Amino acid sequence: EAGVAQSPRYKIIEKRQSVAFWCNPISGHATLYWYQQILGQGPKLLIQFQNNGVVDDSQLPKDRFSAERLKGVDSTLKIQPAKLEDSAVYLCASNLWGVSPDTQYFGPGTRLTVL
Amino acid sequence: TQLLEQSPQFLSIQEGENLTVYCNSSSVFSSLQWYRQEPGEGPVLLVTVVTGGEVKKLKRLTFQFGDARKDSSLHITAAQPGDTGLYLCAGAGGNYGQNFVFGPGTRLSVLP
Repeated sequence: EAGVAQSPRYKIIEKRQSVAFWCNPISGHATLYWYQQILGQGPKLLIQFQNNGVVDDSQLPKDRFSAERLKGVDSTLKIQPAKLEDSAVYLCASNLWGVSPDTQYFGPGTRLTVL
Repeated sequence: TQLLEQSPQFLSIQEGENLTVYCNSSSVFSSLQWYRQEPGEGPVLLVTVVTGGEVKKLKRLTFQFGDARKDSSLHITAAQPGDTGLYLCAGAGGNYGQNFVFGPGTRLSVLP
């Protein structure tokens, strides 16, 4: 079974530029999460999708971050414009809705450096 | 807001030693997961515990879920350099256990 795919693996941009990250979850997984992990910290949830609907985006900085999952499969997270403090690893995870206990599976992440 | 604390934050030990790391919260979780994360990679699931008081073993790793489902511990016997990494706990909540909150992690270094 293929895991969660993310691209790119690394991205370096200058502040005020835009960047987009892509995630393809495990086939059949209805729930998709985007996390931000700053160096030395645990992952922080940015947004959670159930199919193509948003379940929780309470911690997403909506003035600069946006995310979509139009067909309920893969997803894109965008930052526009980027700030220095956005430097982090952006992790995508998915899980199979309604199965107990729920467990999420992570992709390798995209490491973003904002200069 | 549900919060998870982990201790210690950092741990450096010699190969062959035993260690225990802790994950604590004031909130009740429907399940709790432990992950290990290596540099440049995403977290990899080690175990999920569901029942209060549950103990699970994975080779040299022993996981315990507190009776009240608010805390958990991870014990490693005879640590090896390959155990080095960031150990994260995550609590699941919500109606279907779909909402996850992570602790800050314990960074373990096992020296040969």
